[in-house]
Amino acid sequence: KNEVEQSPQNLTAQEGEFITINCSYSVGISALHWLQQHPGGGIVSLFMLSSGKKKHGRLIATINIQEKHSSLHITASHPRDSAVYICAVPQETSGSRLTFGEGTQLTVNP
Amino acid sequence: DTAVSQTPKYLVTQMGNDKSIKCEQNLGHDTMYWYKQDSKKFLKIMFSYNNKELIINETVPNRFSPKSPDKAHLNLHINSLELGDSAVYFCASSQDYLAYNEQFFGPGTRLTVL
Repeated sequence: KNEVEQSPQNLTAQEGEFITINCSYSVGISALHWLQQHPGGGIVSLFMLSSGKKKHGRLIATINIQEKHSSLHITASHPRDSAVYICAVPQETSGSRLTFGEGTQLTVNP
Repeated sequence: DTAVSQTPKYLVTQMGNDKSIKCEQNLGHDTMYWYKQDSKKFLKIMFSYNNKELIINETVPNRFSPKSPDKAHLNLHINSLELGDSAVYFCASSQDYLAYNEQFFGPGTRLTVL
């Protein structure tokens, strides 16, 4: 069992739909990262969160530390949101050492 | 100005060759990383340096040797390249090595070993 599991692995949506990507982890952490990898390959950090909820534009990330679960939501999805979304958790023993989920490939059709 | 830059962007080479990938960050960060992304798009940490000192060294073949001449640069040298080394290599940096810090990624170097 991977330490970090994402679901679904692939997701196809129509423009305007509400999207949810889930991340569950089995290690104890104090923070979780959500990353976006563009079709061209570049990786950007979307959120780092340690509790509750964060919002950036149409993106919302939530985390439940007790349940070891985080979700990334996209409201009013758009084709430009098509990308791979990756969650990553730091190891307790080495905060900067991230363990990555396998990613969720999101395709938003017009 | 690019925050984290890598050169080259593409690298095609023969098995057995030695090659280097360079990384520079202009964010004033103390910590830098090398990640490998395999054909299945799975990212794995390889190395991390904090202020020029090695702090993370995963189970990576010793053909891979990172070098940090100063805290703004972290280069990756690979000896005796093998087919299995083909991947995309990402450099990243963060303010320091604590868990709470956002990591900023370079554009990646696609290495193809023939």
